[in-house]
Amino acid sequence: AQSVSQHNHHVILSEAASLELGCNYSYGGTVNLFWYVQYPGQHLQLLLKYFSGDPLVKGIKGFEAEFIKSKFSFNLRKPSVQWSDTAEYFCAVIFYNQGGKLIFGQGTELSVKP
Amino acid sequence: ETGVTQTPRHLVMGMTNKKSLKCEQHLGHNAMYWYKQSAKKPLELMFVYSLEERVENNSVPSRFSPECPNSSHLFLHLHTLQPEDSALYLCASSKEMNTEAFFGQGTRLTVV
Repeated sequence: AQSVSQHNHHVILSEAASLELGCNYSYGGTVNLFWYVQYPGQHLQLLLKYFSGDPLVKGIKGFEAEFIKSKFSFNLRKPSVQWSDTAEYFCAVIFYNQGGKLIFGQGTELSVKP
Repeated sequence: ETGVTQTPRHLVMGMTNKKSLKCEQHLGHNAMYWYKQSAKKPLELMFVYSLEERVENNSVPSRFSPECPNSSHLFLHLHTLQPEDSALYLCASSKEMNTEAFFGQGTRLTVV
């Protein structure tokens, strides 16, 4: 079965630090890629998505992600984090050869210290 | 407001009870999903419906029974659950099967 792997379970940063969260997926042909965020007590929200075209995609709240096909990776970045970015971040992948199911990584908890 | 509404938000049930979780989407989407979110584990896809037909059942125990009466509503019927079934149950919908999903706020289920 196809899988999605996030490298870090818990990341702690100070405000203004740069952020990069890793995401890799198993080989599976054509994919659609997503990052979701879950703020404390809130629902999962879409941060950004990649379907095709420019592999560098920009999302909401200053986040961006880069799709590197040769590495099966879709890492999330933000140049300068804020305390309000404290949340759990999930990478998710749709593998076309698995009937369009959205498969999630295990999540990365980000804590930003003020 | 996500466009996907789940009720109830919290549910405590005994192992012999029967209860149902409800999900409603107001986005005109054609696909709906049930996910289970447990601590320290990835979100687990449980059921997928596309155009009201079930297209995926990820080896979920029969004590969980989904129902999709129309494209806007999705239910998860629960009976004789186990304590390890305690989790956050998330409903989601998407326009089509290969597009981004929109999530509800979830039902926090505790089985006692």
